[in-house]
Amino acid sequence: GAGVSQSPSNKVTEKGKDVELRCDPISGHTALYWYRQRLGQGLEFLIYFQGNSAPDKSGLPSDRFSAERTGESVSTLTIQRTQQEDSAVYLCASSLRTDYGYTFGSGTRLTVV
Amino acid sequence: AQSVTQLDSQVPVFEEAPVELRCNYSSSVSVYLFWYVQYPNQGLQLLLKYLSGSTLVESINGFEAEFNKSQTSFHLRKPSVHISDTAEYFCAVRGTGGGNKLTFGTGTQLKVEL
Repeated sequence: GAGVSQSPSNKVTEKGKDVELRCDPISGHTALYWYRQRLGQGLEFLIYFQGNSAPDKSGLPSDRFSAERTGESVSTLTIQRTQQEDSAVYLCASSLRTDYGYTFGSGTRLTVV
Repeated sequence: AQSVTQLDSQVPVFEEAPVELRCNYSSSVSVYLFWYVQYPNQGLQLLLKYLSGSTLVESINGFEAEFNKSQTSFHLRKPSVHISDTAEYFCAVRGTGGGNKLTFGTGTQLKVEL
């Protein structure tokens, strides 16, 4: 596609429920990243996929968070047993391996009530 | 590992006045530096980047940033701001070695007033 697409754009869920967030990167972009942006804070790195290499999961805050990517296409970020502190905008970005700047999606605003 | 400090969380400025948004970084290796902009209700967009060569880099909408290695800074400047520049600005850094992970600052909210 022309840009990075994320869905849903907004998600309200009850505490304790599981949620799944989706990211469609730009076609041909081998690298895909997930970040979290809490209200009034900067971007917090979560996970990074590069081609068929093992993902860099060093930013995942707990074992309730996981992410998958099928080849060089769609990625899903799953949060199990959501907590109120998980409320944030979850941003996905993609890039070419040799590119130095990311292209960001518009994000998914997650609200846990 | 790298870190980024944006000391100013908010910068109010009148239209047509100059502005500087400060960014300092910390890294044990050589770095690439970036500024991203987030307009209200929009996603992050790359504004400009320093990779190598000239330490002064410019964007198409009049912003510029200068890489200062000795001061580990990459401040963003514009000589005359416009209302449409109102946005949040994020400084980001990554090491030049393997891996492609950007580390972001906490952002500076630029509010341009009439």
